Amino acid sequence: SQKIEQNSEALNIQEGKTATLTCNYTNYSPAYLQWYRQDPGRGPVFLLLIRENEKEKRKERLKVTFDTTLKQSLFHITASQPADSATYLCAPSSGSARQLTFGSGTQLTVLP
Amino acid sequence: KAGVTQTPRYLIKTRGQQVTLSCSPISGHRSVSWYQQTPGQGLQFLFEYFSETQRNKGNFPGRFSGRQFSNSRSEMNVSTLELGDSALYLCASQKQGYNEQFFGPGTRLTVL
Repeated sequence: SQKIEQNSEALNIQEGKTATLTCNYTNYSPAYLQWYRQDPGRGPVFLLLIRENEKEKRKERLKVTFDTTLKQSLFHITASQPADSATYLCAPSSGSARQLTFGSGTQLTVLP
Repeated sequence: KAGVTQTPRYLIKTRGQQVTLSCSPISGHRSVSWYQQTPGQGLQFLFEYFSETQRNKGNFPGRFSGRQFSNSRSEMNVSTLELGDSALYLCASQKQGYNEQFFGPGTRLTVL
């Protein structure tokens, strides 16, 4: 069955450092992968989408990589800030991505 | 442009009752998806509607149902509530031709 694993439930890093979050998937051949951010008690917010033919995508301090051979996506936040503290969810998708399947999420805490 | 709105934001029901949740998508978005989020199971897809038709359905019992109106607003209904139905119910809208989903703030349902 399809499985999505995100590294460690919680990740604590120091302000200013780079946070790296991992999303591994099995029994999947996604055409693209999305990353969302979720704050407590709120709905997820779309951050980035990377397609299978793209190795890397950037948006301001965010960078996503997608390795279809390793079946893995890495999500980086550079120069992290306490405001980046949230849960980050990955969602590998195929087809039209109308039915998203999310990983369990990684709770990131950036310490001042 | 207004975001996705969900009503009510909080709801308390007792076992055996039924509940109806409402979602208004972003103007121009015709696809509405519903998700259930619990600490144990994470974010799970319930169903997706487009032009008043259910296009996709997740692995949930028939007690969970939904519908979409001609103005793209959607409702989901849960009948014969069980304790395990306590969750954050999120709806997301999507613009045709785009992959990212825009989530509402959710409805927190507590079943006593």
